[in-house]
Order: sequence, then C-alpha cells, then structure tokens
Amino acid sequence: TQLLEQSPQFLSIQEGENLTVYCNSSSVFSSLQWYRQEPGEGPVLLVTVVTGGEVKKLKRLTFQFGDARKDSSLHITAAQPGDTGLYLCAGPTSGTYKYIFGTGTRLKVLA
Amino acid sequence: DVKVTQSSRYLVKRTGEKVFLECVQDMDHENMFWYRQDPGLGLRLIYFSYDVKMKEKGDIPEGYSVSREKKERFSLILESASTNQTSMYLCASSLRLGNEQFFGPGTRLTVL
Repeated sequence: TQLLEQSPQFLSIQEGENLTVYCNSSSVFSSLQWYRQEPGEGPVLLVTVVTGGEVKKLKRLTFQFGDARKDSSLHITAAQPGDTGLYLCAGPTSGTYKYIFGTGTRLKVLA
Repeated sequence: DVKVTQSSRYLVKRTGEKVFLECVQDMDHENMFWYRQDPGLGLRLIYFSYDVKMKEKGDIPEGYSVSREKKERFSLILESASTNQTSMYLCASSLRLGNEQFFGPGTRLTVL
C-alpha cells in the first residue's frame, strides 16, 4: 500500500516563528501537490512540484521535492495566524493514476 | 478562476432517508471525485468518474452510489442514510487522472 506520511501531525507555534512540515513515502511520485485546508472548507491547491530537487517559493512558503521524488517539505518563514490550517501533501504514484493524500499536518499559529 | 461548487454547505438528515449531494465544476474537467473526510482518518475516496456515465469505485464505496449524466455535474447518493455516514463530504475535479485536484467547499452532513 502506498502511503504519504506527514510529520509532525500537530504543530502549535507563535507568530513570527519558522517551521518545516515533512511528507515522506517509500514510493516514487511523478509529482507532488501541497494543499491548505481551513476549518469548514475544502483543500486549496498551493503548489505542484514535478522535478526531483525542485524548490518553489510562494511568498513566505518554500516547497522542496526530494531528489528521489519520494519526499517533500514545506517551510514557512515568519508564520502568521493566517497560515493556520491543515496542510496536505498529495500526488499520483509513478506509473499509475492513483492519487493519494498524506495524513496531514494541523498547524496553529498563535498571535 | 477554477470553480467547484457543492449544493449544500450543511445538511441534516434522518436515518433511512435518501440523500443527494450535488457537485458542479465549470472547468470542463474530465474527472470528478467524491471524498469523505473524518478526524483521524484523512481523506478517503468514495467514487470517481473519468467521463460522462463512467464511474469507478474508490476505497470506501459501500452505502454510496454516484451519477454523472453531464460532464460538469457529479452526484453522490446515499440510498439509505445511516449515522456512520455523518461526515464532511468533499467533491473535486481534475483535468487528467493523476493531476492536481480542485475542491469544492464541502458539505457537512449529519445523519440523526
């Protein structure tokens, strides 16, 4: 069974702190997506990474795809309360169309 | 802008009722999906459709059926609602299977 494990599961930090969220698998992915889901809403796509070693920046968010395309990380610089939400990684395992979601990281940023 | 809409944000139904959840996308996407999301269990795929009138079971299809009569609309049907179907239901669409998915706002269904 292909899995995407995310860590940490929960994270509560003060405004202004930096944090990193991890997404790991034993399977190779042809691409990985990161989503943010706010309470009571559907997930919203943040970014897609495709190439091993790729780094993408979205304002204070930096996304990295592992060289072997089995893992990814999301780094937030100077977190703000608006970053609060559930962060999900997801993607299709290589050679299939099966799209799987990670276990999620619930982030709370305190003002 | 990409848009997926769901017919209700909140729904309360009684055990045994037939429930219809509607989803519409305006992106001309081929593929549409229904998930349920429960605390500690993450997103679980119920059914998906890769073309009009075509459907495939996901990981937890029991107790559900779907209908896709038009490309833009995908319906989830609970034939006889039960309390264990109380959940957040999310609809999504994608251009191609395996591509990023675009989600609706969700329907929080409570079955009493």
